[in-house]
Amino acid sequence: SYVLTQPPSVSVAPGKTARITCGGNNIGSKSVHWYQQKPGQAPVLVIYYDSDRPSGIPERFSGSNSGNTATLTISRVEAGDEADYYCQVWDSSSDHNWVFGGGTKLTVL
Amino acid sequence: EVQLVESGGGLVQPGRSLRLSCTASGFTFGDYAMSWVRQAPGKGLEWVGFIRSKAYGGTTEYAASVKGRFTISRDDSKSIAYLQMNSLKTEDTAVYYCTRVDRGYYFDYWGQGTLVTVSS
Repeated sequence: SYVLTQPPSVSVAPGKTARITCGGNNIGSKSVHWYQQKPGQAPVLVIYYDSDRPSGIPERFSGSNSGNTATLTISRVEAGDEADYYCQVWDSSSDHNWVFGGGTKLTVL
Repeated sequence: EVQLVESGGGLVQPGRSLRLSCTASGFTFGDYAMSWVRQAPGKGLEWVGFIRSKAYGGTTEYAASVKGRFTISRDDSKSIAYLQMNSLKTEDTAVYYCTRVDRGYYFDYWGQGTLVTVSS
């Protein structure tokens, strides 16, 4: 079963850059997707196929993926970015074909 | 505007059954695969199951944790996806989200979720 590892929490001051990592064995060979979930709300797709942004998602959100780590980068962080962030991949060998990371709580100081 | 609206959640005793519905609008439902994702209270996201569009056979996939107990189906004429949950366990307690699947690999739209509580 494929495992995605995220740090439980990341803290950043407003206006700074937040980086949330997602680790997995040779994850660079897979496509990684990222979701933002604010308290009491459904998740929202913010990055797909490693670095593409859906319409309506600010350019401040970007993604990269190489080796054993994928990264979601949020530039010029705002208070409204405070949320849980989940990475996700599709893995044909897993008993959960669509695999999520454990999630990272982003706190804006 | 794409909308997914789940219904059918509630309190159910262990061992009983429940059927969730997901009513879609704002897109051609039959053209897309659909999936269910759940989130236990205070926990992360867990994929539950997936149904392909009829063009790809309408076949299903399930997480090991629900395989043999849960069944996903779809009625393209009504733009509804279903999640039939049998032999429910306390560990199935979660908010269940209906999602649209894009290109088979990621969830581009989510419903607001419906809470299923399995308890005696």
